[in-house]
Amino acid sequence: QKEVEQNSGPLSVPEGAIASLNCTYSDRGSQSFFWYRQYSGKSPELIMSIYSNGDKEDGRFTAQLNKASQYVSLLIRDSQPSDSATYLCAVGARSSASKIIFGSGTRLSIRP
Amino acid sequence: ETGVTQTPRHLVMGMTNKKSLKCEQHLGHNAMYWYKQSAKKPLELMFVYSLEERVENNSVPSRFSPECPNSSHLFLHLHTLQPEDSALYLCASSQAPGQGTTGNTIYFGEGSWLTVV
Repeated sequence: QKEVEQNSGPLSVPEGAIASLNCTYSDRGSQSFFWYRQYSGKSPELIMSIYSNGDKEDGRFTAQLNKASQYVSLLIRDSQPSDSATYLCAVGARSSASKIIFGSGTRLSIRP
Repeated sequence: ETGVTQTPRHLVMGMTNKKSLKCEQHLGHNAMYWYKQSAKKPLELMFVYSLEERVENNSVPSRFSPECPNSSHLFLHLHTLQPEDSALYLCASSQAPGQGTTGNTIYFGEGSWLTVV
């Protein structure tokens, strides 16, 4: 079982709709969770971090965490073509606070 | 500008060469990381240096050798690499790793594209 799993996509969403990206993780003791966006040929940039169960909103982005189900998601409202990128889910490992494990990413495409 | 600067941005080297990647962070962070990103593979953590610990991924070959002289600088020394080592090498930093805090949020540099021929 992969430590952090994401559907590779591509996920195609019409402009203006809600894009929903999902991630599951295997380390039940993990306490820190992150979403990064990576454009082709660029390095990942942080979008959201979440540490507690529930929802966290920042502009058009909402991160959702459910530790019991070992599930974290990212919702993007009013999707724009500029949101087209690969979205990486990352989880802080329980064994080491420094060890952040990444999923393989979901490629999102927003169609006009 | 992310506050994490990597040089060189692009490097082509032969299998018998020795080269180094350099990373410098201007964020006042206490932990620095090397990640490897190959096509269609997840980001792979190679090394972590922090005040509390040094973490190594045991699957990283010895032809990659990290050096962290202080909390602001990190090097990755490369020698006798193989073509399959061609990838994007990302340096990152975080403030102070700590589970459940914002300290372990990591910020990436722009990466060094490495091609081994």
